[in-house]
Amino acid sequence: GAVVSQHPSWVICKSGTSVKIECRSLDFQATTMFWYRQFPKQSLMLMATSNEGSKATYEQGVEKDKFLINHASLTLSTLTVTSAHPEDSSFYICSARGWSSGRAAGANVLTFGAGSRLTVL
Amino acid sequence: AQSVAQPEDQVNVAEGNPLTVKCTYSVSGNPYLFWYVQYPNRGLQFLLKYITGDNLVKGSYGFEAEFNKSQTSFHLKKPSALVSDSALYFCAVRDMATGGFKTIFGAGTRLFVKA
Repeated sequence: GAVVSQHPSWVICKSGTSVKIECRSLDFQATTMFWYRQFPKQSLMLMATSNEGSKATYEQGVEKDKFLINHASLTLSTLTVTSAHPEDSSFYICSARGWSSGRAAGANVLTFGAGSRLTVL
Repeated sequence: AQSVAQPEDQVNVAEGNPLTVKCTYSVSGNPYLFWYVQYPNRGLQFLLKYITGDNLVKGSYGFEAEFNKSQTSFHLKKPSALVSDSALYFCAVRDMATGGFKTIFGAGTRLFVKA
């Protein structure tokens, strides 16, 4: 089945630094990737949708310049949290859908990465 | 706009008893409905989905869900709960109004199964 790998799973950084989180589709080509943010004991909030080779579409209220999303290849999307602050500390989860050997992978079911917990000191 | 409501923050059930986690939805067209489970510090795992067909959908780990169009509900059920079922459960709906690419999640329901 479709597998999505997310790295790193844990990251701690100092305030003001930038952090990059990778989301890879391991056995299928992810034409669309989604980035979610989850605060403790809360639901997932969609941050942005990225299609391979084009600019990401951000949800209302999400700062484009702060959360940089790159989807340059069919197997990799990255989320960079720029100039991170303690309030950016959260659990970031990616999901993907696309094609595997000519068949839709995740066409109806999103495949999620394991998530990345960011702590900004 | 599409939306999903999970009215219970938490559900407590004894091991071996049946469990129900409630979900209601609001969509403008035909709903695509999903249940996901999340264990601590992990991503979401797919349990089951309803696209079309039988109203009773069977999924992973013995879970099932019943689609009720008149009540706009999609409750998650399991005949006999296990301690290992303790986790956070999310109901979700695909937003077909935007081409079906966006999935909207409920607030989540934490399930505690006591031994």
